[in-house]
Amino acid sequence: NAGVMQNPRHLVRRRGQEARLRCSPMKGHSHVYWYRQLPEEGLKFMVYLQKENIIDESGMPKERFSAEFPKEGPSILRIQQVVRGDSAAYFCASSPPGTTKNIQYFGAGTRLSVL
Amino acid sequence: GDSVTQMEGPVTLSEEAFLTINCTYTATGYPSLFWYVQYPGEGLQLLLKATKADDKGSNKGFEATYRKETTSFHLEKGSVQVSDSAVYFCALSVNQGGKLIFGQGTELSVKP
Repeated sequence: NAGVMQNPRHLVRRRGQEARLRCSPMKGHSHVYWYRQLPEEGLKFMVYLQKENIIDESGMPKERFSAEFPKEGPSILRIQQVVRGDSAAYFCASSPPGTTKNIQYFGAGTRLSVL
Repeated sequence: GDSVTQMEGPVTLSEEAFLTINCTYTATGYPSLFWYVQYPGEGLQLLLKATKADDKGSNKGFEATYRKETTSFHLEKGSVQVSDSAVYFCALSVNQGGKLIFGQGTELSVKP
């Protein structure tokens, strides 16, 4: 059973460009979470999604950031008009349905660098 | 709001030394508590967990006990190895299936 897959592993963008980060959850997992890790800091929750629904987006910046988890295909975290402060590691996690769903399994992350 | 505080790193130990990484939390409900480990260049891996007071989580020689009276979940290992060098994160989840709230992480370096 493959783990949580994120791509790309590294992404370089210039200021003002768009960044698209992809996350394929583990097989059978219907919950996806996105976290951001700024340099020298812990992980901060951004958004929690189930298939086609955003459940909790309390950690998402109000502008430029959006996330989706369509019925088919990976979850996408989209950052429009990137700025240098968006440089960070972005981690995706997934969890299965049912009573154990609070155990989250993490991908290796996408490291975004904004020039 | 809910939060997690860990001891600051880096922590540097010699091989076979005893490890303690302190973690305390603040939560409005009854959280589940977790320790995750992050090796260089990789994502986080669940190390152990505890879901209610007095539960002890254990894995790979690491242990942590959920102490409600002191709101703590300290990570311990009796004899560390060089391969334990990593960043360790304490985390909580208040709602089942909800977000994880992480501490800032503690870097551990084990020297031979």
